[in-house]
Amino acid sequence: AQSVTQLGSHVSVSEGALVLLRCNYSSSVPPYLFWYVQYPNQGLQLLLKYTSAATLVKGINGFEAEFKKSETSFHLTKPSAHMSDAAEYFCAVELNTGNQFYFGTGTSLTVIP
Amino acid sequence: DGGITQSPKYLFRKEGQNVTLSCEQNLNHDAMYWYRQDPGQGLRLIYYSQIVNDFQKGDIAEGYSVSREKKESFPLTVTSAQKNPTAFYLCASNQGGADTQYFGPGTRLTVL
Repeated sequence: AQSVTQLGSHVSVSEGALVLLRCNYSSSVPPYLFWYVQYPNQGLQLLLKYTSAATLVKGINGFEAEFKKSETSFHLTKPSAHMSDAAEYFCAVELNTGNQFYFGTGTSLTVIP
Repeated sequence: DGGITQSPKYLFRKEGQNVTLSCEQNLNHDAMYWYRQDPGQGLRLIYYSQIVNDFQKGDIAEGYSVSREKKESFPLTVTSAQKNPTAFYLCASNQGGADTQYFGPGTRLTVL
């Protein structure tokens, strides 16, 4: 069973436009949720994480995500896209098992000048 | 400064040869992980270790082996039994449980 689903493998936005990257999880209990960014041929860098505190989580580089239990979602947003935001973004979940993380298939973000 | 190092960054090997990828961390993390990344498939867990001298198989462990003799090191061997070893390999570590994982820069393995 897929633990985390990212809708849209490719997203394009104009510079200055809203960025919305979608992530849904499947779990009967609220998991820990993460968003990572990956630039070409590099490792993953944490953007933000949700660990059952505030449902609106603010991360680095102006990104934020809102945990919505009713929708089992954790979508990533940024009000105004910058050229440097072009990268691959991964949503990940830890299902309170204490040992394994599950990653989505990633969303490639293109920013159009 | 602290972090995770992986070496080499690019690795080329002939088919049928075993190859070992290095992963070292100086973050004093208990847990370490190996992932494989293929285009369009995200990250898939190969092996993980929560403590020295102990490790567990992930979702795609066949054709791979690991050791965890030291807390800071978690080398991955890609054996000749791995049918399609060409991929980008990422090592990660954390303090355990749901703590944030920190990733190394990755090793791109190409089998010729």
